Amino acid sequence: QVQLVESGGGLVKPGGSLRLSCAASGFSFSDFYMSWIRQAPAKGLEWVSYISSSGSTIYYADSVKGRFTISRDNAKNSLSLQMDSLRAEDTAVYYCAKGYKYGSNWGQGTLVTVSS
Amino acid sequence: QSVLTQPPSVSGASGQRVTISCTGSSSNIGAGYDVHWYQQIPGTAPKLLIFGNTNRPSGVPDRFSGSKSGTSASLAITGLQAEDEADYYCQSYDSSLSGAVFGGGTQLTVL
Repeated sequence: QVQLVESGGGLVKPGGSLRLSCAASGFSFSDFYMSWIRQAPAKGLEWVSYISSSGSTIYYADSVKGRFTISRDNAKNSLSLQMDSLRAEDTAVYYCAKGYKYGSNWGQGTLVTVSS
Repeated sequence: QSVLTQPPSVSGASGQRVTISCTGSSSNIGAGYDVHWYQQIPGTAPKLLIFGNTNRPSGVPDRFSGSKSGTSASLAITGLQAEDEADYYCQSYDSSLSGAVFGGGTQLTVL
């Protein structure tokens, strides 16, 4: 069965950096687009970024463009999100999801808190 | 303000039928882009409920169904059960934003 496990969340000061990881198993990781989707506390969902199976096609929401970098390692079945110049409004649970048109499977999420 | 508009809350008695609407515009649902629905039980990750307007992933009961017409879509839940209490989100693609968009979510209460 598909399993997605995020890690790397935590408390960081405004302007700081954090790197999230997602370990995938139970499917052929290298065949699928992957995405990061976030949810601010008591708020709705926001699609942050996605990456194609080969890594050649990447999308970022305007809210994170120029600050976040998505990447993947197909040999390690791993997805990453490098988050720089973090702002208070980036505080959210970050989910790793399989797919890019819709999220067919989601991880349990990892909480990122940006606060001084 | 979400690009897709959903009612903040709906409710229904156990065993009854409820619908949740998702209203978009000519740059998303009205442009022909598919609508997908997710169920999020508080404290857990969202779960795909409907994809491609009307399709259910394996394991999703047929009590859940989706439809789409014009610039709107709907999720219908029949035979309401206590376990259906959750937040429901619609999602589509918006050509003017060049990205996926979500509705603001609808909280379902089973009376």
